[in-house]
Amino acid sequence: GQQVMQIPQYQHVQEGEDFTTYCNSSTTLSNIQWYKQRPGGHPVFLIQLVKSGEVKKQKRLTFQFGEAKKNSSLHITATQTTDVGTYFCAGPHRGSTLGRLYFGRGTQLTVWP
Amino acid sequence: DTEVTQTPKHLVMGMTNKKSLKCEQHMGHRAMYWYKQKAKKPPELMFVYSYEKLSINESVPSRFSPECPNSSLLNLHLHALQPEDSALYLCASSRFMGTSGYEQYFGPGTRLTVT
Repeated sequence: GQQVMQIPQYQHVQEGEDFTTYCNSSTTLSNIQWYKQRPGGHPVFLIQLVKSGEVKKQKRLTFQFGEAKKNSSLHITATQTTDVGTYFCAGPHRGSTLGRLYFGRGTQLTVWP
Repeated sequence: DTEVTQTPKHLVMGMTNKKSLKCEQHMGHRAMYWYKQKAKKPPELMFVYSYEKLSINESVPSRFSPECPNSSLLNLHLHALQPEDSALYLCASSRFMGTSGYEQYFGPGTRLTVT
């Protein structure tokens, strides 16, 4: 079953509006990764956060890792139609079998022009 | 080369057929993965190979049989599948397997339909 909770499941925004998706885990994560999957495509790695309280930026995307390493967020400023897709967070749990990456259910982003 | 390739792109098979999915990477990655993804769901881990040895089998039915002939190739042999096995099958690779979190590179997937 799901080990990482992600909300919202769907988000519809007008182009130019901001967008945020949130991930929460009941247990501490060693790190958290974010992936984007375009419609009809495959997941593409965006970024990995490792340190408590870490913040990383990629152009209009801002990624945060919580102080307790149990939550994370992805914020997109001024969305564009190219941002359309499903955003997944994923992370291994401390003590979990090596190689097992738990994916959140994803947030499907739709951007209206 | 940061590409993972998968063949075929699409596959339609009957419940009595035997088929194989193939995955290849030339990034020197030593961990390779098979995932199953249903529509509007996240990828579900099926198998993990580390240094060509099967490390994780997520209680996958025996009608799915993985094989890792060498460090660049990963196969998934299919036999006597059920219609509910229809899904997108994704292959992925990473430098290593570990909680230090090496990012995974996904292939484009094989869209499987079982009739």
